[in-house]
Amino acid sequence: AQSVTQLDSQVPVFEEAPVELRCNYSSSVSVYLFWYVQYPNQGLQLLLKYLSGSTLVKGINGFEAEFNKSQTSFHLRKPSVHISDTAEYFCAVNPYSSASKIIFGSGTRLSIRP
Amino acid sequence: GAGVSQSPSNKVTEKGKDVELRCDPISGHTALYWYRQSLGQGLEFLIYFQGNSAPDKSGLPSDRFSAERTGGSVSTLTIQRTQQEDSAVYLCASSPHRGASGNTIYFGEGSWLTVV
Repeated sequence: AQSVTQLDSQVPVFEEAPVELRCNYSSSVSVYLFWYVQYPNQGLQLLLKYLSGSTLVKGINGFEAEFNKSQTSFHLRKPSVHISDTAEYFCAVNPYSSASKIIFGSGTRLSIRP
Repeated sequence: GAGVSQSPSNKVTEKGKDVELRCDPISGHTALYWYRQSLGQGLEFLIYFQGNSAPDKSGLPSDRFSAERTGGSVSTLTIQRTQQEDSAVYLCASSPHRGASGNTIYFGEGSWLTVV
């Protein structure tokens, strides 16, 4: 079985400050890794994903994430946030062997202060 | 439409009533997912359809929940004898993949269900 842990339910940061949203996962099999974002009153959309290759993945809106296999982590980072980044961010894993099993974390609400 | 369409966007129902939630996936997408998002919780997997294959129903929380997908397109999630703990946002997503993992899934805006 797989599980995803997002330790921070809420992260407040000032505008133009850097941010890191943490994601750790547990799995006995190999997984693909995702970050999805949900802006207010919108559906979730893909921010970035790791399938293979370079462990540093770049996504939309200046976000990036680094896959660390030894620490089973996939933390999301942005060097300078904007008000428009206010949203809820979800980390997810998908085992290689099962298209149906996409397991999401409980989400991190990022709030940006001017 | 261009995206995943869900209806109704909001539904208030009395405890004990049945409700139907509809999902119209992106045209051509063979995979369809239903998730439930409760306040402060992550997304809980409910059911997965892939083409004409038998659905993966392993996430349905009780036999009051059922879903069908007609003609490989539109899907309906039915909750019978609703309970207050069924109050949540029900999210539908679709994907063009053919059963392979690692694909992006595209979400609708959800149906917000309130059971009073």
